[in-house]
Amino acid sequence: GENVEQHPSTLSVQEGDSAVIKCTYSDSASNYFPWYKQELGKGPQLIIDIRSNVGEKKDQRIAVTLNKTAKHFSLHITETQPEDSAVYFCAEGGGNQFYFGTGTSLTVIP
Amino acid sequence: DAMVIQNPRYQVTQFGKPVTLSCSQTLNHNVMYWYQQKSSQAPKLLFHYYDKDFNNEADTPDNFQSRRPNTSFCFLDIRSPGLGDAAMYLCATSIPGASNQPQHFGDGTRLSIL
Repeated sequence: GENVEQHPSTLSVQEGDSAVIKCTYSDSASNYFPWYKQELGKGPQLIIDIRSNVGEKKDQRIAVTLNKTAKHFSLHITETQPEDSAVYFCAEGGGNQFYFGTGTSLTVIP
Repeated sequence: DAMVIQNPRYQVTQFGKPVTLSCSQTLNHNVMYWYQQKSSQAPKLLFHYYDKDFNNEADTPDNFQSRRPNTSFCFLDIRSPGLGDAAMYLCATSIPGASNQPQHFGDGTRLSIL
C-alpha cells in the first residue's frame, strides 16, 4: 500500500470549469479512499471519501469515482470557485496506515 | 465545536535545543497521529497511539519521541532538532480502524530551526 501516484501535480482552471484529479494505487487490499483539501497554513481537511464497495459518491459540487479493477480513483470538482484553490491529497488505506498521494495544487482563475 | 487543536501554531527553536509540540482533541478518539510535512510534500507518518499503545514507524528517527498522558492530549518531543527537522508538524485523530476511518487533522505547528 505504499505507492499512490497522483496526477497532475499542478492544475489551473477557469472559474466555473471542472477539475479532475486522478490517483492510482497498487495494493488490492486497499478499501478506503479519502480526499483531503489543504489550504495554505492549515491542516488537511477531509472533503469526501469512498469505500471499496461503492463506485461513486457525490456531495454537491464534489464527486469521487473508484475503479477497483483498474486500481484508480478520481476527484471531480464541478463549477469551480476561487475558494476551491488549494492543495488536494488523495490517500488510500487498508493496511495499518494511510498512504498519501503527492498532492495536486489547484488554482481556480477568476 | 469538536476539534483537534495544536499549539503553538509557530515555533522557533535553536539547533540542538529540545522542543515540545502539543496537540489536544475534543473528539474523544482512541487514535492520535503525528505527521511531518515538508514543503510541497505529502504528510509523512511519524508514529501513532492507539489509546496508550505507542506505534513507531520504522523510519522515524530516534530524535523524535511522543507522550500521551491521557485521551485528550498528545505531545511530540524533538530531543535535538537539526536543520532538516524544520517542517510543519500535523496531529490527527481517528476512531479505531486506523486505515479505513477518516483522520481529522489539526492546523499544524510550523517549526523553524535557527
